[in-house]
Amino acid sequence: VQLKQSGGEVKKPGASVKVSCTSSGFLFTSSAINWVRQAPGQGLEWMGWISTYNGDTRYGQKFQGRLTMSRDTSSNTVYMELRELTSDDTATYFCAKDPFDYPSQPREGWFDPWGQGTLVTVSS
Amino acid sequence: YVLTQPPSVSVDPGKTARIPCGGNKIGSKSVHWYQQRPGQAPILVLYDGADRPSGIPDRFSGSSSGNRATLTISRVEAGDEADYYCHVWDSSSEEQVFGGGTKLTVL
Repeated sequence: VQLKQSGGEVKKPGASVKVSCTSSGFLFTSSAINWVRQAPGQGLEWMGWISTYNGDTRYGQKFQGRLTMSRDTSSNTVYMELRELTSDDTATYFCAKDPFDYPSQPREGWFDPWGQGTLVTVSS
Repeated sequence: YVLTQPPSVSVDPGKTARIPCGGNKIGSKSVHWYQQRPGQAPILVLYDGADRPSGIPDRFSGSSSGNRATLTISRVEAGDEADYYCHVWDSSSEEQVFGGGTKLTVL
């Protein structure tokens, strides 16, 4: 089981960024993917969850309104788009697999494996 | 829901390291632990409190009760030096929550 993410991005304040996470080694449409970010020198912060089964999403309260997650079942890829970027969004963004088959919502469960991370830098 | 970890723990090689994670009634939750080496993605070292994924040595163990969960690393090796994060699901807010992380230093 492997998750491979897209490369680093540099964006200006106010712009949007879209990061991809391509999976292999498991049935893509039977699972869910979480997105977690980590600002430089800081801890981990959960952003949200997408079911790769039916596309249902749940977003953390902090990101409501400017975060969109989507999936493409033809390429086993999920996407995370964050809009209205500020310098506070400078971080490494990780995707991570949910452990349950056909989950209907996020719940108690660990993240394994994780993608390698994508550094997004927001700077004018 | 807040998970509290000490910023750092130091231990001599061959000794036992204990990394605490505090949270309200955390003993009633499923706690997961991750190891993150510098510049790398986190890896799962314990899930559901005390279960080890394949490939994780039995030197890693976990426990929780009341308001504290603990990751214990026995016979610590230089390669165990990393940041460690605890993680739970908060059913009240319906969000995943991570502790602030603990940097383990092997002296």
